[in-house]
Amino acid sequence: GIQVEQSPPDLILQEGANSTLRCNFSDSVNNLQWFHQNPWGQLINLFYIPSGTKQNGRLSATTVATERYSLLYISSSQTTDSGVYFCAVKMNRDDKIIFGKGTRLHILP
Amino acid sequence: EAGVAQSPRYKIIEKRQSVAFWCNPISGHATLYWYQQILGQGPKLLIQFQNNGVVDDSQLPKDRFSAERLKGVDSTLKIQPAKLEDSAVYLCASSLATGWAIYFGEGSWLTVV
Repeated sequence: GIQVEQSPPDLILQEGANSTLRCNFSDSVNNLQWFHQNPWGQLINLFYIPSGTKQNGRLSATTVATERYSLLYISSSQTTDSGVYFCAVKMNRDDKIIFGKGTRLHILP
Repeated sequence: EAGVAQSPRYKIIEKRQSVAFWCNPISGHATLYWYQQILGQGPKLLIQFQNNGVVDDSQLPKDRFSAERLKGVDSTLKIQPAKLEDSAVYLCASSLATGWAIYFGEGSWLTVV
């Protein structure tokens, strides 16, 4: 089945640093989302980005579907950015949405 | 616009007891999902509804888990009898249709002791 791999699995940064999170997928997809799971467990939508680039404040994302990867950029990190970042993809060939294992980000004050 | 509503937020039960979780999706969303998330892992799809029909329940342990969405709006997920390994967060999500952006509720935290 489709593989969704996120890297790095863990990341510790000082407040103010920039970071890049990666999501690789092994099959063609027509939907990709990035989520932030906060310390209380809620999954917050960041981007719905099947292709192209989007920006929202300090966050931006780029998906290159033909090369089967997506990147999430966080600039000027704040402690509130801490949590787990998941990418989720929907395959072209059926309706399944597959989640990666996540990147755990910890921003130090 | 109201988000996905779930209840209860927290539940502690003994093994072999039963529990039910309720979900009200975003108004107008035809697709509803139940995910199970065990601590330290990504969400795993249990069941997906399109209106009141089941699209995918391949990972639902049908000997103990059941879910319904009778009128194509609210949904209930039941576990009977519960096992220790069912301790997890049960996340409900909805989307306008299959393939559109999905939105999650706050989750229902289950501890089985």
